[in-house]
Amino acid sequence: NAGVTQTPKFQVLKTGQSMTLQCAQDMNHEYMSWYRQDPGMGLRLIHYSVGAGITDQGEVPNGYNVSRSTTEDFPLRLLSAAPSQTSVYFCASSYNRLLNTEAFFGQGTRLTVV
Amino acid sequence: AQSVTQLGSHVSVSEGALVLLRCNYSSSVPPYLFWYVQYPNQGLQLLLKYTSAATLVKGINGFEAEFKKSETSFHLTKPSAHMSDAAEYFCAVSDNAGNMLTFGGGTRLMVKP
Repeated sequence: NAGVTQTPKFQVLKTGQSMTLQCAQDMNHEYMSWYRQDPGMGLRLIHYSVGAGITDQGEVPNGYNVSRSTTEDFPLRLLSAAPSQTSVYFCASSYNRLLNTEAFFGQGTRLTVV
Repeated sequence: AQSVTQLGSHVSVSEGALVLLRCNYSSSVPPYLFWYVQYPNQGLQLLLKYTSAATLVKGINGFEAEFKKSETSFHLTKPSAHMSDAAEYFCAVSDNAGNMLTFGGGTRLMVKP
């Protein structure tokens, strides 16, 4: 049982490049989300999905796209990378909405935009 | 909008000493509160969660937290720190629909031998 798997673990991009961060979970969780972690700011929600085919914006969605074609996968796309998107990105999933439910996190993707 | 404040971005204690990490939240309705821990180069994992069944919540690794509605606080404590407790700790609150977690800025706990 792998849990939440993120790839790649590290990535360096040039300004203006695009890329996709992959996230997959094998726990049949309905809810998935993407956060970015910046020093002193905790984690901030980028996008989330409550089920296949349903996505919505979080706190900091600009510059990012997501899709949810299957229950297992929730990729995050950077359309045109900017230095302000240098961060550590975490994918998380949970069985249901987060009212009283544990979120399971991947190990993160450290992204540097130069 | 919900917000979470963690007082002290860095806390240092000696091994065996009491650990107290502070968390205050803003919420107009009864909140759903969590503490997560992040070890170096890893994702976050759940320490404990407030379920409204009891104001004192026990979690893993000897940690516990007390929900105080009058103070809008959910401080994390451990009677005796261990070297393995060195990590970053995040307090979080769920929005009313359960769509997102709002995290505090985190507190890095250092344990001195």
